[in-house]
Amino acid sequence: AQTVTQSQPEMSVQEAETVTLSCTYDTSESDYYLFWYKQPPSRQMILVIRQEAYKQQNATENRFSVNFQKAAKSFSLKISDSQLGDAAMYFCALCPLEYGNKLVFGAGTILRVKS
Amino acid sequence: DADVTQTPRNRITKTGKRIMLECSQTKGHDRMYWYRQDPGLGLRLIYYSFDVKDINKGEISDGYSVSRQAQAKFSLSLESAIPNQTALYFCATSDNNYPFYEQYFGPGTRLTVT
Repeated sequence: AQTVTQSQPEMSVQEAETVTLSCTYDTSESDYYLFWYKQPPSRQMILVIRQEAYKQQNATENRFSVNFQKAAKSFSLKISDSQLGDAAMYFCALCPLEYGNKLVFGAGTILRVKS
Repeated sequence: DADVTQTPRNRITKTGKRIMLECSQTKGHDRMYWYRQDPGLGLRLIYYSFDVKDINKGEISDGYSVSRQAQAKFSLSLESAIPNQTALYFCATSDNNYPFYEQYFGPGTRLTVT
């Protein structure tokens, strides 16, 4: 079975500070990808960052970076210099390649940014 | 214009009614998906299609059916809507080629069944 767990239903961060969102997953597949998606109030799903499991180097996209711990099956998202526009629901998703690249999502974490 | 469109964007219907949600894409992708989003559950896969002749059930297909009318069109039907089908529905597409794992989502359809 493929599962994704986001243990933080809601997080808050002060503008300009750093916040980390947690995600753990479980899969028996050896080849997979991991993603973080952002869903603002507009409800559009926006890809924030992706990590290929065979790559040891953690992915980075501007202020967004991940801490990928393959052995621990952990994939956390760090947002640096938080901005008001970062306020949204964030979903962690797993894509095992042998699973036909279907996405398995976590329950989501609501991020609130305080000014 | 958006690459993946969904119609309608919002819909209120009554229990027992048949309803169809439509998805169209201009990305030229073969793979299309329907997901359902519920609070506290994230998105869950309802049906997916890897080409026009290939339709597969996802995690939660009961009470739903789909039709892949063309490469660009993938419709989701609720034959007899019930209140627990109230949710946000997303269509998504992906390519067969690298990076085929990247999915592109439509804007979503908010469905309310009363």
